Amino acid sequence: AQTVTQSQPEMSVQEAETVTLSCTYDTSENNYYLFWYKQPPSRQMILVIRQEAYKQQNATENRFSVNFQKAAKSFSLKISDSQLGDTAMYFCAFTLSAGSGYALNFGKGTSLLVTP
Amino acid sequence: DTGVSQNPRHKITKRGQNVTFRCDPISEHNRLYWYRQTLGQGPEFLTYFQNEAQLEKSRLLSDRFSAERPKGSFSTLEIQRTEQGDSAMYLCASSLGDIGQQPQHFGDGTRLSIL
Repeated sequence: AQTVTQSQPEMSVQEAETVTLSCTYDTSENNYYLFWYKQPPSRQMILVIRQEAYKQQNATENRFSVNFQKAAKSFSLKISDSQLGDTAMYFCAFTLSAGSGYALNFGKGTSLLVTP
Repeated sequence: DTGVSQNPRHKITKRGQNVTFRCDPISEHNRLYWYRQTLGQGPEFLTYFQNEAQLEKSRLLSDRFSAERPKGSFSTLEIQRTEQGDSAMYLCASSLGDIGQQPQHFGDGTRLSIL
């Protein structure tokens, strides 16, 4: 079974600063996808960034970037120039490339608070 | 793209009653997923459909739960004889084909409260 662990239940960062959210996962498979989803207080889950395991290059999306360490099974999210609108729950998620219907396995989440 | 729509947004019912939720995916999305999210936890996979076929069910989906997706369009999730432990947010997501090309898009969810 695949598991996803987010060891930081809560984090806080000041506006314009940089913050890194941690995620580790456990799998014996070689081909998979990793995701970071954001869930603002309105509760709709929004995709932030996606990483294919076969790609060595770390994914970036504007102020969001990941540090993907496949051997260490680590997938952290860096948010640069934090904005008040980044306040939300952040979930790390994992899915296999085939055979599972692409159902997502989520971590427990990290609650991020961006303060003025 | 009108997004994934879920109804109702909130449902309060007494223990033992049956409830049904509806999910309308993004049009042309062939895959539809149901997840359950309890307070302080990440979403947990329940079941998924490819078109009208239900291809996978989690062990979390007890025999009191049933899901359908007639004609491969909207989906319903029914819970019979509700229990206190069923209180949760039920999330629906849809996607098109290979997740390598298209991620899952989530709805706002239906919050179920069992009295």
